[in-house]
Amino acid sequence: GAVVSQHPSWVICKSGTSVKIECRSLDFQATTMFWYRQFPKQSLMLMATSNEGSKATYEQGVEKDKFLINHASLTLSTLTVTSAHPEDSSFYICSAPGTLFTDTQYFGPGTRLTVL
Amino acid sequence: SQQGEEDPQALSIQEGENATMNCSYKTSINNLQWYRQNSGRGLVHLILIRSNEREKHSGRLRVTLDTSKKSSSLLITASRAADTASYFCATGTTDSWGKLQFGAGTQVVVTP
Repeated sequence: GAVVSQHPSWVICKSGTSVKIECRSLDFQATTMFWYRQFPKQSLMLMATSNEGSKATYEQGVEKDKFLINHASLTLSTLTVTSAHPEDSSFYICSAPGTLFTDTQYFGPGTRLTVL
Repeated sequence: SQQGEEDPQALSIQEGENATMNCSYKTSINNLQWYRQNSGRGLVHLILIRSNEREKHSGRLRVTLDTSKKSSSLLITASRAADTASYFCATGTTDSWGKLQFGAGTQVVVTP
């Protein structure tokens, strides 16, 4: 099946710094990718939709200036958490549809962010 | 926001037993999917059922969908220790292609 990778798998940073997380589709092209956040023992919450060649669309309540999304190519989307704070500590997961208009999403392995 | 509820929140069973978990949702859907997540890992797609389907099977998995009650169930038969994980339902809608709204999840522990 389709494979989605994320890098890094975990990151620890100091409060106030920015962290970039990459999401790659390894064997397929993805014009759209999705970013989710998952707090411990909770479910996934959709943060934003990343669109290749255009601006990302953010879900209600998600600060677009804090969570910068860039979909630079058909296989890469990046999420940058700017001026990170401890409350941003979470598990960030991206997903991509395997083929255009398929309903099945392929999820990356996730990135554990810890902000000290 | 989360689409709905899953119950039970946690389920502990022995190997060989069946595990059943339920998912309820609030809005009209195009499809409902079940995913598995091992601790600290990404999600693995298990099965997708469309709104015009009532039941679907895949190996030891059986999913039902009742759109009139806005609910779905996932049955894992003859469970194994390797089935220990969190299970999430997620719904997709026609007007928000690709976006999934997840349920709260059911944590399943299968003991040998």
